[in-house]
Amino acid sequence: GAGVSQSPSNKVTEKGKDVELRCDPISGHTALYWYRQRLGQGLEFLIYFQGNSAPDKSGLPSDRFSAERTGESVSTLTIQRTQQEDSAVYLCASSLGASGGWEQFFGPGTRLTVL
Amino acid sequence: AQSVTQLDSQVPVFEEAPVELRCNYSSSVSVYLFWYVQYPNQGLQLLLKYLSGSTLVESINGFEAEFKKSETSFHLTKPSAHMSDAAEYFCVVSQIFLSGNTPLVFGKGTRLSVIA
Repeated sequence: GAGVSQSPSNKVTEKGKDVELRCDPISGHTALYWYRQRLGQGLEFLIYFQGNSAPDKSGLPSDRFSAERTGESVSTLTIQRTQQEDSAVYLCASSLGASGGWEQFFGPGTRLTVL
Repeated sequence: AQSVTQLDSQVPVFEEAPVELRCNYSSSVSVYLFWYVQYPNQGLQLLLKYLSGSTLVESINGFEAEFKKSETSFHLTKPSAHMSDAAEYFCVVSQIFLSGNTPLVFGKGTRLSVIA
């Protein structure tokens, strides 16, 4: 079956522009997570969804970051007025969630470069 | 809050030599522990996990890790390195929630290189 997919795989944007990153989780996975990996650092947790709601937004670095999920499926992470420090690989993961699966399956990531 | 420290950012080993990637964590509550691996140009994959029970856990490709609560460590070892083991390895911790939904806390990663 299909794994977690993310698009685009690469995104280059100019400082100040808005970007949208997309994640398609594994079908049937109710939990969805966004992480960020900046160069030379480990992954930072950003936000997670259980269904379409986000009980934990504590990792979002600023109010320029937002995320939504619809249909208990696709999620988009939006970064407004991008800054150079937003350059990173953004990873999405999904899991079965409360129905009994803790293991998170990761997508290939979106590499964001802000010039 | 939990945190993870991977003591080495890079570990070079000769082929067939033993491997040890070190990991220490801190947490005030019980945790799950994982090692994830990222091969070149591939996504993150779960290598092995400790949830409960036996403190020595193994992967299908010969790696093992031992949970030592007294030392708050979860070091990853393999008796003999293969060229195909070259990758970045992440030690990961998550707090135990009954719901099973737990954001993962990652270490900064250790890049294992294998020298022929």
